[in-house]
Amino acid sequence: ILNVEQSPQSLHVQEGDSTNFTCSFPSSNFYALHWYRWETAKSPEALFVMTLNGDEKKKGRISATLNTKEGYSYLYIKGSQPEDSATYLCAFDMAGFQKLVFGTGTRLLVSP
Amino acid sequence: NAGVMQNPRHLVRRRGQEARLRCSPMKGHSHVYWYRQLPEEGLKFMVYLQKENIIDESGMPKERFSAEFPKEGPSILRIQQVVRGDSAAYFCASSPGQTSGNTIYFGEGSWLTVV
Repeated sequence: ILNVEQSPQSLHVQEGDSTNFTCSFPSSNFYALHWYRWETAKSPEALFVMTLNGDEKKKGRISATLNTKEGYSYLYIKGSQPEDSATYLCAFDMAGFQKLVFGTGTRLLVSP
Repeated sequence: NAGVMQNPRHLVRRRGQEARLRCSPMKGHSHVYWYRQLPEEGLKFMVYLQKENIIDESGMPKERFSAEFPKEGPSILRIQQVVRGDSAAYFCASSPGQTSGNTIYFGEGSWLTVV
């Protein structure tokens, strides 16, 4: 059974803090790793798709790194804002045609 | 460019009735995926379809569930004779191709409640 683990489960930070989360996935048969941002009652918003070991991607204050050999990815948020409050999901492409296995997410709350 | 459109957003069915959930992929996307989120669980893959073809249905329950993506019109996820355990959020996603590394775009989900 494929397991995608995310930690921490939840995180509460103050506005302006920088934070990071971890996604662990199987290191064999790697095709891609997806990160999503999910606000309640909205659709999951695609942040990054990472395919190569050592990949680093950035979108505004959010960035992500990928280590396929050891099976982990980090998501960083610099200078968190209240609007960053959401659940952040990672998903592992297990079959090469985007059949995703999702982690249970990290719930981030940013207080003003 | 409209995103992935799902309807209905909320559906209530009595046990034994049928539920039909519709999904229109993003314009230009020919690959559709259905995922389910049961209460207190993460998103789980159900089925992957291209126009008129089911590519992978390994995540679909063996009975009562079916999916299609006809040449014309939206993709449909059909649940026959619903039971309470089918109550969940059903998400549709689409992508332009099956190459690993393509972004997969999700709809806002359809919430099914079985009473």
